[in-house]
Amino acid sequence: AQKITQTQPGMFVQEKEAVTLDCTYDTSDQSYGLFWYKQPSSGEMIFLIYQGSYDEQNATEGRYSLNFQKARKSANLVISASQLGDSAMYFCAMKTSYDKVIFGPGTSLSVIP
Amino acid sequence: NAGVTQTPKFQVLKTGQSMTLQCAQDMNHEYMSWYRQDPGMGLRLIHYSVGAGITDQGEVPNGYNVSRSTTEDFPLRLLSAAPSQTSVYFCASSYGGFTDTQYFGPGTRLTVL
Repeated sequence: AQKITQTQPGMFVQEKEAVTLDCTYDTSDQSYGLFWYKQPSSGEMIFLIYQGSYDEQNATEGRYSLNFQKARKSANLVISASQLGDSAMYFCAMKTSYDKVIFGPGTSLSVIP
Repeated sequence: NAGVTQTPKFQVLKTGQSMTLQCAQDMNHEYMSWYRQDPGMGLRLIHYSVGAGITDQGEVPNGYNVSRSTTEDFPLRLLSAAPSQTSVYFCASSYGGFTDTQYFGPGTRLTVL
């Protein structure tokens, strides 16, 4: 069965520090995509970063990077230089075919001034 | 370019009532999906569509119907509302490939009494 696991229900980070949000996945498919979304308290889902299963380099988008370890089936999100506006829920998701996307339960990140 | 729009933003129903949640996108995306978000469970796929006239079930389809008569619209119908359907509903669209990001609507908060 396909599954996404996020083992950190809540995380705290000091402003300007880096933080890693964990995500492990389980699939028997060889081709898949991994996504991270941010959901602030206002409720909208904001796309952050994407990693394809055949991509050899880790994805980066500004302050966001994805630490992709295929053999370990992990796709951790690294946020550098945290800002107060980074306080939100963060969801890891996996896309395997057509438009089937599986989401993890999320991690609540709080940035402390 | 409005992106993905959803109406209504809030809705309160009584048990047994039916209603339709509207979703529209103006990005000419072939793929559209409906998710529900419950506390602590992330997003779960209800139904999805790979193009006009084609729909399929997701993880939690019971109690919901969909149709896709046009590329732009993908309404979700609750046949006979139950308190277990109290949730936040998100519509999303994408071009559909593994690298294609899903764009989410703002969500509909539904309460069934």
